[in-house]
Amino acid sequence: AQSVTQPDIHITVSEGASLELRCNYSYGATPYLFWYVQSPGQGLQLLLKYFSGDTLVQGIKGFEAEFKRSQSSFNLRKPSVHWSDAAEYFCAVGLYYNQGGKLIFGQGTELSVKP
Amino acid sequence: SAVISQKPSRDICQRGTSLTIQCQVDSQVTMMFWYRQQPGQSLTLIATANQGSEATYESGFVIDKFPISRPNLTFSTLTVSNMSPEDSSIYLCSVEGWTSGSYEQYFGPGTRLTVT
Repeated sequence: AQSVTQPDIHITVSEGASLELRCNYSYGATPYLFWYVQSPGQGLQLLLKYFSGDTLVQGIKGFEAEFKRSQSSFNLRKPSVHWSDAAEYFCAVGLYYNQGGKLIFGQGTELSVKP
Repeated sequence: SAVISQKPSRDICQRGTSLTIQCQVDSQVTMMFWYRQQPGQSLTLIATANQGSEATYESGFVIDKFPISRPNLTFSTLTVSNMSPEDSSIYLCSVEGWTSGSYEQYFGPGTRLTVT
C-alpha cells in the first residue's frame, strides 16, 4: 500500500541554522512528490514538487528537496532558517496512475525556530 | 494556479446537526477533492468529486455521513451529517491543476469545525 513517513514529529532549530526534514515514501510507480507548509490557522501552501528530471528541486522561500529513488526519500532542506519558517510541514505522494490524483500525506513535522 | 474559497471559514455546531461546507474555484476544474484534518493530525482524503458523476469515497468514509454535491465545474459542497464531537476537524477542498509540466493540487483555506 502507498504510504508516506515523516520520522520526526517535532524539530527545533536555531534561527540561521540549516534544516533538513525527512520524508520516506512507499509507492510502486514513479512518484509525484510534494512538500506543503501549513502555518497556524492557514491553509496548505505548496513549497515544491518532483515528478521527473533533476532530482534536486528548488522551491519557494529558499527551500529545496532531493529525490533519492534508491532510498525512497524526498528530504526537504533549507540552508538558513528564518523565524517565519516555524510551521507544520507535510510531505505527500500524488497517485496519478489509475488513482485519480489523490494525495497521501505524511504525519507532518512541526518546526519550531529558536531566536 | 487556482484560487479556492471555502464557506464557512469556521463554525461551532451541536451534536446531531449537519453542516454544509461550500468550495468555490475561480476556474473550471475536472476533479475536486475533500480532505479532513483532525486535531494534531495529517490530512486524509474523504472523497473525490467529478462533475456529473457520483463522488468516490475512500475507505472509512460513507456517502450517508459525508454527502457531496458537484453541480458544475467550479463548485462543490461537502455535508457533515449527524455530527458528533469526533467530527471536529478542519475540512479542506482542493483541485488539481497542471503547472510547469506536472500536476499539483491547490488547497482552499479550510473550514474549522467544532462539534459540541
